[in-house]
Amino acid sequence: KQEVTQIPAALSVPEGENLVLNCSFTDSAIYNLQWFRQDPGKGLTSLLLIQSSQREQTSGRLNASLDKSSGRSTLYIAASQPGDSATYLCAVRPHTGNQFYFGTGTSLTVIP
Amino acid sequence: DVKVTQSSRYLVKRTGEKVFLECVQDMDHENMFWYRQDPGLGLRLIYFSYDVKMKEKGDIPEGYSVSREKKERFSLILESASTNQTSMYLCASIGGLNTGELFFGEGSRLTVL
Repeated sequence: KQEVTQIPAALSVPEGENLVLNCSFTDSAIYNLQWFRQDPGKGLTSLLLIQSSQREQTSGRLNASLDKSSGRSTLYIAASQPGDSATYLCAVRPHTGNQFYFGTGTSLTVIP
Repeated sequence: DVKVTQSSRYLVKRTGEKVFLECVQDMDHENMFWYRQDPGLGLRLIYFSYDVKMKEKGDIPEGYSVSREKKERFSLILESASTNQTSMYLCASIGGLNTGELFFGEGSRLTVL
């Protein structure tokens, strides 16, 4: 069974720093990988979706990369802002079936 | 924009009550999901549906049932609510076959007393 790990569980950075969030998965036979943001008490908001054939995706200050062979994805946030404070989760979809496997998230705090 | 709407954001119920959680999506998605999210346990799949009237059990179906009578609507039912079902419930639907992007609703926070 696919296992998805996000380390660290929590991260605190000063405003303006560039930062990287990590997502590791155990089975490289994936269909895609998706990054989400979750604010307290809210649902998950999709940030970036990377198909298995892609190496990276960019949206504004966010860049997500995918290395299937090593079972890793990173989410790079440039010039962090206090509004980026949230929990970030990654989810892996395997090649077969409609199950998704989620990490437990990294809680990010950006200090003004 | 895709919209997944969960009708109840906050509910407080008593043990033994029947609870309905409704989810509607507006993008003609075939696949819909119900998850629960608990601190330290992450998201766990309760049920999913790949078509009208079709459903499959997820990882933790016990104590829950689902209904999909129309393509846009997926309901989660707690036949007899218990305190250990206090949780955040998240509905999701999956986008087109080419992208497979997952979209979530705002969540329903259920407290069972």
